[in-house]
Amino acid sequence: DSGVTQTPKHLITATGQRVTLRCSPRSGDLSVYWYQQSLDQGLQFLIQYYNGEERAKGNILERFSAQQFPDLHSELNLSSLELGDSALYFCASSPKYPGGSSEQYFGPGTRLTVT
Amino acid sequence: GQNIDQPTEMTATEGAIVQINCTYQTSGFNGLFWYQQHAGEAPTFLSYNVLDGLEEKGRFSSFLSRSKGYSYLLLKELQMKDSASYLCAVRDNGGATNKLIFGTGTLLAVQP
Repeated sequence: DSGVTQTPKHLITATGQRVTLRCSPRSGDLSVYWYQQSLDQGLQFLIQYYNGEERAKGNILERFSAQQFPDLHSELNLSSLELGDSALYFCASSPKYPGGSSEQYFGPGTRLTVT
Repeated sequence: GQNIDQPTEMTATEGAIVQINCTYQTSGFNGLFWYQQHAGEAPTFLSYNVLDGLEEKGRFSSFLSRSKGYSYLLLKELQMKDSASYLCAVRDNGGATNKLIFGTGTLLAVQP
Protein backbone atom coordinates (compact mmCIF):
# COMPACT_ATOMS: atom_id res chain seq x y z
CA ASP A 1 0.00 0.00 0.00
CA SER A 2 1.63 3.23 -1.22
CA GLY A 3 -0.53 5.52 0.90
CA VAL A 4 -2.03 7.18 -2.19
CA THR A 5 -5.75 6.59 -2.57
CA GLN A 6 -7.88 6.90 -5.68
CA THR A 7 -11.61 6.68 -6.19
CA PRO A 8 -13.49 5.19 -7.84
CA LYS A 9 -11.66 1.97 -8.67
CA HIS A 10 -13.77 1.33 -11.77
CA LEU A 11 -15.94 3.65 -13.85
CA ILE A 12 -18.10 2.76 -16.84
CA THR A 13 -19.75 5.57 -18.74
CA ALA A 14 -21.00 6.51 -22.20
CA THR A 15 -19.45 8.66 -24.89
CA GLY A 16 -20.09 12.36 -24.46
CA GLN A 17 -20.33 12.13 -20.68
CA ARG A 18 -18.21 13.81 -18.01
CA VAL A 19 -16.50 12.10 -15.07
CA THR A 20 -14.38 13.14 -12.10
CA LEU A 21 -11.55 11.05 -10.71
CA ARG A 22 -10.32 11.71 -7.21
CA CYS A 23 -6.90 11.30 -5.61
CA SER A 24 -5.59 11.75 -2.07
CA PRO A 25 -1.78 11.93 -1.83
CA ARG A 26 0.35 10.38 0.89
CA SER A 27 0.36 12.29 4.13
CA GLY A 28 2.81 15.19 3.84
CA ASP A 29 3.28 14.99 0.06
CA LEU A 30 2.59 18.29 -1.69
CA SER A 31 3.04 17.16 -5.30
CA VAL A 32 0.37 15.25 -7.20
CA TYR A 33 0.78 13.84 -10.72
CA TRP A 34 -1.77 12.37 -13.08
CA TYR A 35 -0.92 9.70 -15.67
CA GLN A 36 -2.93 7.89 -18.32
CA GLN A 37 -2.08 4.31 -19.24
CA SER A 38 -3.59 2.88 -22.39
CA LEU A 39 -2.88 -0.61 -23.69
CA ASP A 40 -0.89 0.64 -26.64
CA GLN A 41 0.81 3.70 -25.18
CA GLY A 42 2.24 3.00 -21.76
CA LEU A 43 2.20 5.56 -18.98
CA GLN A 44 1.68 9.10 -20.28
CA PHE A 45 2.19 12.10 -18.00
CA LEU A 46 -0.82 14.41 -17.99
CA ILE A 47 -0.34 17.11 -15.37
CA GLN A 48 1.35 17.96 -12.05
CA TYR A 49 0.24 20.11 -9.15
CA TYR A 50 2.39 21.33 -6.29
CA ASN A 51 0.75 22.75 -3.19
CA GLY A 52 -2.33 23.81 -5.10
CA GLU A 53 -0.64 25.26 -8.17
CA GLU A 54 -0.17 23.74 -11.59
CA ARG A 55 3.53 22.95 -12.01
CA ALA A 56 3.89 20.99 -15.27
CA LYS A 57 1.71 19.89 -18.15
CA GLY A 58 2.11 16.94 -20.49
CA ASN A 59 0.00 16.01 -23.49
CA ILE A 60 -3.26 16.63 -21.68
CA LEU A 61 -6.28 17.14 -23.90
CA GLU A 62 -8.28 20.36 -23.64
CA ARG A 63 -11.29 18.22 -22.66
CA PHE A 64 -9.39 17.23 -19.52
CA SER A 65 -8.74 19.48 -16.54
CA ALA A 66 -7.46 19.05 -13.02
CA GLN A 67 -7.10 20.90 -9.78
CA GLN A 68 -5.56 20.47 -6.35
CA PHE A 69 -7.53 21.63 -3.34
CA PRO A 70 -6.30 23.25 -0.09
CA ASP A 71 -6.40 19.85 1.66
CA LEU A 72 -4.06 18.64 -1.15
CA HIS A 73 -6.43 16.13 -2.68
CA SER A 74 -6.73 16.40 -6.44
CA GLU A 75 -9.43 15.81 -9.01
CA LEU A 76 -9.10 15.02 -12.70
CA ASN A 77 -12.12 15.99 -14.78
CA LEU A 78 -12.66 14.31 -18.14
CA SER A 79 -15.42 15.68 -20.36
CA SER A 80 -16.97 14.92 -23.76
CA LEU A 81 -15.65 11.41 -23.33
CA GLU A 82 -14.61 9.37 -26.36
CA LEU A 83 -13.99 5.65 -26.75
CA GLY A 84 -10.26 6.34 -26.92
CA ASP A 85 -10.30 7.78 -23.41
CA SER A 86 -10.78 4.29 -22.00
CA ALA A 87 -7.65 3.67 -19.93
CA LEU A 88 -6.18 3.29 -16.48
CA TYR A 89 -5.70 6.66 -14.81
CA PHE A 90 -3.06 6.78 -12.10
CA CYS A 91 -2.36 9.43 -9.56
CA ALA A 92 1.06 9.66 -7.90
CA SER A 93 2.50 11.83 -5.16
CA SER A 94 6.00 12.77 -4.12
CA PRO A 95 7.53 14.40 -1.05
CA LYS A 96 7.55 18.03 -0.09
CA TYR A 97 10.78 18.94 -1.88
CA PRO A 98 10.92 17.22 -5.27
CA GLY A 99 14.36 16.21 -6.39
CA GLY A 100 17.06 13.82 -5.30
CA SER A 101 15.97 10.23 -5.13
CA SER A 102 12.41 11.15 -4.26
CA GLU A 103 10.39 8.64 -6.18
CA GLN A 104 6.74 8.99 -7.02
CA TYR A 105 4.29 6.79 -5.14
CA PHE A 106 1.42 5.57 -7.28
CA GLY A 107 -2.18 5.02 -6.27
CA PRO A 108 -4.09 1.90 -7.32
CA GLY A 109 -5.59 3.63 -10.35
CA THR A 110 -9.06 4.19 -11.76
CA ARG A 111 -10.07 2.02 -14.69
CA LEU A 112 -12.27 4.07 -17.01
CA THR A 113 -14.32 2.32 -19.66
CA VAL A 114 -16.17 4.47 -22.19
CA THR A 115 -18.88 2.63 -24.13
CA GLY B 1 12.23 15.40 -28.15
CA GLN B 2 11.61 12.61 -25.72
CA ASN B 3 12.36 9.01 -26.60
CA ILE B 4 12.80 6.07 -24.27
CA ASP B 5 13.31 2.60 -25.73
CA GLN B 6 13.00 -0.79 -24.06
CA PRO B 7 12.45 -4.27 -25.44
CA THR B 8 8.76 -5.11 -25.55
CA GLU B 9 9.00 -8.61 -24.12
CA MET B 10 11.56 -10.93 -22.54
CA THR B 11 11.46 -14.48 -21.25
CA ALA B 12 13.73 -15.98 -18.61
CA THR B 13 13.95 -19.06 -16.42
CA GLU B 14 13.34 -19.25 -12.69
CA GLY B 15 16.63 -18.93 -10.79
CA ALA B 16 18.44 -17.27 -13.70
CA ILE B 17 19.64 -13.70 -14.25
CA VAL B 18 18.03 -11.30 -16.71
CA GLN B 19 19.12 -7.85 -17.92
CA ILE B 20 16.56 -5.35 -19.20
CA ASN B 21 18.04 -2.51 -21.24
CA CYS B 22 16.78 1.03 -21.63
CA THR B 23 18.08 3.77 -23.91
CA TYR B 24 16.88 7.34 -23.72
CA GLN B 25 17.05 10.64 -25.54
CA THR B 26 15.42 13.44 -23.60
CA SER B 27 15.68 17.21 -23.63
CA GLY B 28 16.77 17.19 -19.99
CA PHE B 29 17.97 14.59 -17.52
CA ASN B 30 17.81 14.56 -13.75
CA GLY B 31 17.70 10.91 -12.83
CA LEU B 32 16.49 7.56 -14.12
CA PHE B 33 13.98 5.35 -12.32
CA TRP B 34 12.93 1.74 -12.70
CA TYR B 35 9.43 0.66 -11.69
CA GLN B 36 7.79 -2.76 -11.57
CA GLN B 37 4.15 -3.10 -12.59
CA HIS B 38 2.00 -6.20 -12.33
CA ALA B 39 -0.96 -6.32 -14.71
CA GLY B 40 -3.73 -3.96 -13.66
CA GLU B 41 -1.82 -2.74 -10.61
CA ALA B 42 0.07 0.40 -9.68
CA PRO B 43 3.75 0.79 -10.59
CA THR B 44 6.06 0.27 -7.61
CA PHE B 45 9.49 1.85 -7.27
CA LEU B 46 12.55 -0.38 -7.73
CA SER B 47 15.61 1.81 -8.19
CA TYR B 48 17.04 5.24 -8.94
CA ASN B 49 20.27 6.33 -10.68
CA VAL B 50 21.47 9.87 -11.23
CA LEU B 51 25.25 9.32 -11.43
CA ASP B 52 27.07 6.84 -13.66
CA GLY B 53 27.55 3.40 -12.20
CA LEU B 54 25.80 0.53 -10.54
CA GLU B 55 23.26 0.70 -7.73
CA GLU B 56 22.54 -2.58 -5.96
CA LYS B 57 19.49 -3.40 -3.90
CA GLY B 58 19.11 -7.04 -2.97
CA ARG B 59 18.27 -9.13 -6.05
CA PHE B 60 17.90 -5.98 -8.17
CA SER B 61 20.68 -3.77 -9.57
CA SER B 62 20.51 -0.84 -11.94
CA PHE B 63 23.26 0.70 -14.04
CA LEU B 64 23.49 4.10 -15.70
CA SER B 65 25.75 5.61 -18.34
CA ARG B 66 24.74 9.21 -18.94
CA SER B 67 27.16 9.73 -21.84
CA LYS B 68 25.58 6.81 -23.69
CA GLY B 69 21.98 7.52 -22.63
CA TYR B 70 21.79 3.95 -21.41
CA SER B 71 20.60 2.07 -18.37
CA TYR B 72 19.88 -1.51 -17.48
CA LEU B 73 18.04 -3.32 -14.73
CA LEU B 74 19.55 -6.61 -13.59
CA LEU B 75 17.37 -9.15 -11.82
CA LYS B 76 19.11 -12.08 -10.14
CA GLU B 77 17.78 -15.37 -8.78
CA LEU B 78 14.56 -14.91 -10.70
CA GLN B 79 11.33 -15.94 -9.04
CA MET B 80 7.94 -16.59 -10.60
CA LYS B 81 6.58 -13.48 -8.86
CA ASP B 82 9.06 -11.36 -10.86
CA SER B 83 6.83 -11.88 -13.92
CA ALA B 84 5.69 -8.31 -14.53
CA SER B 85 6.23 -5.26 -16.68
CA TYR B 86 9.39 -3.24 -15.95
CA LEU B 87 9.20 0.47 -16.71
CA CYS B 88 12.17 2.73 -17.32
CA ALA B 89 11.47 6.41 -16.60
CA VAL B 90 13.56 9.56 -16.97
CA ARG B 91 13.03 12.58 -14.75
CA ASP B 92 13.09 15.47 -17.13
CA ASN B 93 13.38 19.20 -16.67
CA GLY B 94 15.15 19.22 -13.35
CA GLY B 95 13.96 18.83 -9.82
CA ALA B 96 11.46 21.66 -10.01
CA THR B 97 8.79 19.47 -11.52
CA ASN B 98 9.94 15.90 -10.88
CA LYS B 99 8.00 14.97 -14.02
CA LEU B 100 8.67 11.40 -15.23
CA ILE B 101 8.78 10.32 -18.86
CA PHE B 102 8.12 6.58 -19.12
CA GLY B 103 9.13 4.02 -21.69
CA THR B 104 6.45 1.60 -22.84
CA GLY B 105 7.77 -1.10 -20.52
CA THR B 106 9.28 -4.56 -20.88
CA LEU B 107 7.00 -7.49 -20.14
CA LEU B 108 9.06 -10.17 -18.43
CA ALA B 109 7.78 -13.74 -18.29
CA VAL B 110 9.58 -16.04 -15.83
CA GLN B 111 9.18 -19.70 -16.69
CA PRO B 112 9.73 -22.70 -14.40
